[in-house]
Amino acid sequence: EIVLTQSPATLSLSPGERATLSCRASQSVTKYLAWYQQKPGQAPRLLIYDASNRATGIPARFSGSGSGTDFTLTISSLEPEDFAVYYCQQRSNWPLTFGPGTKVDIK
Amino acid sequence: EVQLLESGGGLVQPVGSLRLSCAASGFTFNTYVMSWVRQAPGKGLEWVSAISGSGGSTYYADSVKGRFTISRDNSKNTVYMQMNSLRAEDTAVYYCAKDRVERTSGSPNFENWGQGALVTVSS
Repeated sequence: EIVLTQSPATLSLSPGERATLSCRASQSVTKYLAWYQQKPGQAPRLLIYDASNRATGIPARFSGSGSGTDFTLTISSLEPEDFAVYYCQQRSNWPLTFGPGTKVDIK
Repeated sequence: EVQLLESGGGLVQPVGSLRLSCAASGFTFNTYVMSWVRQAPGKGLEWVSAISGSGGSTYYADSVKGRFTISRDNSKNTVYMQMNSLRAEDTAVYYCAKDRVERTSGSPNFENWGQGALVTVSS
């Protein structure tokens, strides 16, 4: 099973600041890494698929990069609605796995 | 518009059984991989199971293998999760999720999600 590790666990930032979230895989997932956003009481929302592709309707301030074992989700300038928990997920190997999440909260 | 509506959640005793359903609409159901993803209270996301569009291929997390069975009825646009031998650690919100693209093989991303069904395993 591929284990995903996310850092930091919590990121405290102010609106307008840049957020950089990291996801590391225990073995290569090539490009098959996705990012999701989840707000309290809501289902997750797909942001990025295959490392760097924005899903339908996702604003350009969200970008993804990386390959192999190291990936990054960047939010260029935080909007108030971006404070949430972010999960990475790999689909390179079964079983599919998620990272433990990074909470982005308001400083 | 894609819609996924889960049902069948509730309170069940340990070692009991429950069947979840997910009724889908707004897309060509039989060409998409469908999955179940769960979230224990206050915890992160855990993928549980997936099924190919034809239903011919199924996949499970180790934590549920041998206890849970995923199936689909393409004539009813519905995917199911039969959960047997339930344990306290199966307590979670169970989400039904649709793949991002049509595919005959391979593993999914989760582009569309239902609202979730709460399963509580407790005596």
